[in-house]
Amino acid sequence: AQKVTQAQTEISVVEKEDVTLDCVYETRDTTYYLFWYKQPPSGELVFLIRRNSFDEQNEISGRYSWNFQKSTSSFNFTITASQVVDSAVYFCALNGGNFNKFYFGSGTKLNVKP
Amino acid sequence: AAGVIQSPRHLIKEKRETATLKCYPIPRHDTVYWYQQGPGQDPQFLISFYEKMQSDKGSIPDRFSAQQFSDYHSELNMSSLELGDSALYFCASSFSGEVAGELFFGEGSRLTVL
Repeated sequence: AQKVTQAQTEISVVEKEDVTLDCVYETRDTTYYLFWYKQPPSGELVFLIRRNSFDEQNEISGRYSWNFQKSTSSFNFTITASQVVDSAVYFCALNGGNFNKFYFGSGTKLNVKP
Repeated sequence: AAGVIQSPRHLIKEKRETATLKCYPIPRHDTVYWYQQGPGQDPQFLISFYEKMQSDKGSIPDRFSAQQFSDYHSELNMSSLELGDSALYFCASSFSGEVAGELFFGEGSRLTVL
């Protein structure tokens, strides 16, 4: 079975704080891909990152960083020095097996207050 | 670069009416996916097509049907609309020749059923 769990429903931080969004996944596939998407209030899904199951190297992109740990089936997302524009719903997703569909987590709503 | 185009972006219908959403995938992409995102929920997979054939089916109601045409664009037809069909409908596309698992999402079509 494929499943993505984002236990944090909503997080509120003050601007410039660091925040980590958790993502735990379940899959029996040995080859799979993990993603993070941002969904601002306007509704579109903005691609942030893709990580394949064979690459556990952490990645940093500006204020964003991702920590992929296969041992704990987690793919956590950290925003450093958060900004108001980071306010959005963030979805973690898994694409495995026949790669025909994504499995989304329930999303974490991030509120960054000035 | 060209992205996934969805039309219309917004649609208002009455109960029991019919609606059609269109999706134009990224050029060269041969696979199209439809997702439904209800208010405050994560996107749910409805159906996918590869080379004009249905490749996978998710939680798509019997009142809905979809197809992919020879130019690879896809249409989602929804009949006997219900209030619960009000949602953001995403189309995504991918190219089967790339084992990358990434889906490119359109900006979504927001359907409101009154």
